[in-house]
Amino acid sequence: EADIYQTPRYLVIGTGKKITLECSQTMGHDKMYWYQQDPGMELHLIHYSYGVNSTEKGDLSSESTVSRIRTEHFPLTLESARPSHTSQYLCASSDPGQGDQETQYFGPGTRLLVL
Amino acid sequence: KNQVEQSPQSLIILEGKNCTLQCNYTVSPFSNLRWYKQDTGRGPVSLTIMTFSENTKSNGRYTATLDADTKQSSLHITASQLSDSASYICVVSDRGSTLGRLYFGRGTQLTVWP
Repeated sequence: EADIYQTPRYLVIGTGKKITLECSQTMGHDKMYWYQQDPGMELHLIHYSYGVNSTEKGDLSSESTVSRIRTEHFPLTLESARPSHTSQYLCASSDPGQGDQETQYFGPGTRLLVL
Repeated sequence: KNQVEQSPQSLIILEGKNCTLQCNYTVSPFSNLRWYKQDTGRGPVSLTIMTFSENTKSNGRYTATLDADTKQSSLHITASQLSDSASYICVVSDRGSTLGRLYFGRGTQLTVWP
């Protein structure tokens, strides 16, 4: 069982609200990621981080922002939620020291519904 | 264009039967290939990871194969159980560690009936 946590697990919110999805891991992993996943579709990378004070945009254009002030914490913020943001958001972490065996450990996800 | 294609899209089998899921990829250069299991409403969990030089890897009742020449992989599930009902995702990395990009398939949705 991976030690990576996400809160909230479910969130229903109105359009225009600011939201922050929390992600934390206790494995000391340097790399962390945020993915977006719609039903029956592949995961799309929206943000990632190589370590503290490092953040990068992923492949999928996103209006969200992230921060990495502490190794274990990688929150994702939407300044103004819209119905198009309705999706499942998955956080993951990995240890680049594993080389070819580097594996991503995923959190349980946050299901977001914007009305 | 780097892609990962999985088949079938969905599969229903009876408990106790075996099944094989397929993954074809065009990712280049190739670093490694992973199979993940994703239960409904949960995050994916790694089953196996194979590098270029490995052609078979087992994890309990799960056996993954890799043919790097034809760029194909399969995941074989033996003596299926109800708890095997999940989406199985193939993920290919184009190079190792820090610089690696991951390409995700859409998954095969497996349903095991009693």
